[in-house]
Amino acid sequence: SQTIHQWPATLVQPVGSPLSLECTVEGTSNPNLYWYRQAAGRGLQLLFYSVGIGQISSEVPQNLSASRPQDRQFILSSKKLLLSDSGFYLCAWNTRENQPQHFGDGTRLSIL
Amino acid sequence: QKEVEQNSGPLSVPEGAIASLNCTYSDRGSQSFFWYRQYSGKSPELIMSIYSNGDKEDGRFTAQLNKASQYVSLLIRDSQPSDSATYLCAVNVNPDMRFGAGTRLTVKP
Repeated sequence: SQTIHQWPATLVQPVGSPLSLECTVEGTSNPNLYWYRQAAGRGLQLLFYSVGIGQISSEVPQNLSASRPQDRQFILSSKKLLLSDSGFYLCAWNTRENQPQHFGDGTRLSIL
Repeated sequence: QKEVEQNSGPLSVPEGAIASLNCTYSDRGSQSFFWYRQYSGKSPELIMSIYSNGDKEDGRFTAQLNKASQYVSLLIRDSQPSDSATYLCAVNVNPDMRFGAGTRLTVKP
């Protein structure tokens, strides 16, 4: 069966520090991969999605970037975190665009 | 106009009652519709998928889709306190998915 792993579960970072969040999927090939952010009490904001290795589409211009170095690995990065980057970051996958997305457990990021 | 709108909450129902959650969407080309449940502090969990007009039942859950009215709903029968969560409506807008802001449901014992 397919599983998705996301780490770390929680992270506290100072303003201006770098960020790297990692997500991996097991049990499937060539998944579509997604990064979302959810602010407290708010809906899901799509940040990036990828349909293949090296293919990244950005939904929101900001100081975050994403990379997909391997088929089942998706990385969210930042060179300098802002206070507004705080939130709950979720990685998700599906097999085709019209199929449901399945989420990892998320990373709760706090910026101090 | 927001792409996916859900009825504003919070919604509170007594245990054993029917909870009704509603969602409208703006993209007439959408073909896939989903309901997710999100417990506080956790990630969303898929509970229903619906692709065709009409009703789809799964246990205590029934999803209803009306593409002409661009309307999706979720009914939860015999609501239990464990159903207390935020319910997210999601609509496929190729190549990705758009989520509503969610409706918070509380089931009171």
